[in-house]
Amino acid sequence: ETGVTQSPTHLIKTRGQQVTLRCSSQSGHNTVSWYQQALGQGPQFIFQYYREEENGRGNFPPRFSGLQFPNYSSELNVNALELDDSALYLCASSSGQGAGSETQYFGPGTRLLVL
Amino acid sequence: AQSVTQLDSQVPVFEEAPVELRCNYSSSVSVYLFWYVQYPNQGLQLLLKYLSGSTLVESINGFEAEFNKSQTSFHLRKPSVHISDTAEYFCAVSLRGYKLSFGAGTTVTVRA
Repeated sequence: ETGVTQSPTHLIKTRGQQVTLRCSSQSGHNTVSWYQQALGQGPQFIFQYYREEENGRGNFPPRFSGLQFPNYSSELNVNALELDDSALYLCASSSGQGAGSETQYFGPGTRLLVL
Repeated sequence: AQSVTQLDSQVPVFEEAPVELRCNYSSSVSVYLFWYVQYPNQGLQLLLKYLSGSTLVESINGFEAEFNKSQTSFHLRKPSVHISDTAEYFCAVSLRGYKLSFGAGTTVTVRA
């Protein structure tokens, strides 16, 4: 069974640029959630996708957007990068539609540095 | 909205000593509770979770956590730690919804 994978592992961008992060969910999972983890903090929920539809969103501006594909993999896009976007971006997959009780399985993350 | 407070940011502990990581949450409704562990340069792994039933939940590697509804707490304990338990530990809650709300984390450093 393949776990959650994310690419790239590290990324350096400059302010104002755009970035796309990718996530492959664990086999059998149809739900993907994205989190931002700033240095020294806990992960913050960005949004969740269930069967290609956005299923909930945290307190992030519209320049954070996402997609989920028919194979349940997902992308996180961030436009107009700001210095504060520097963080570890975590993808988590799960099965079910956000009952809250299901376990979310996390990938290793993509570390983004904005200069 | 629910929030999570982890009362200790850093916990140094000697090998084979017990450890307790404290977590309090605020919510006006019932929640599900989780503890995740993050080893250096890795993603988060589920340690244990409380959904309902017995208030004491255990993990396969010797950790346990007790749900206390009156004190809105979900403290994590291990009676004897190993060097390999050095990691960051996150408490999280979810409502009957979709997102996990995490605390700021507790860094556990186990010394020989």
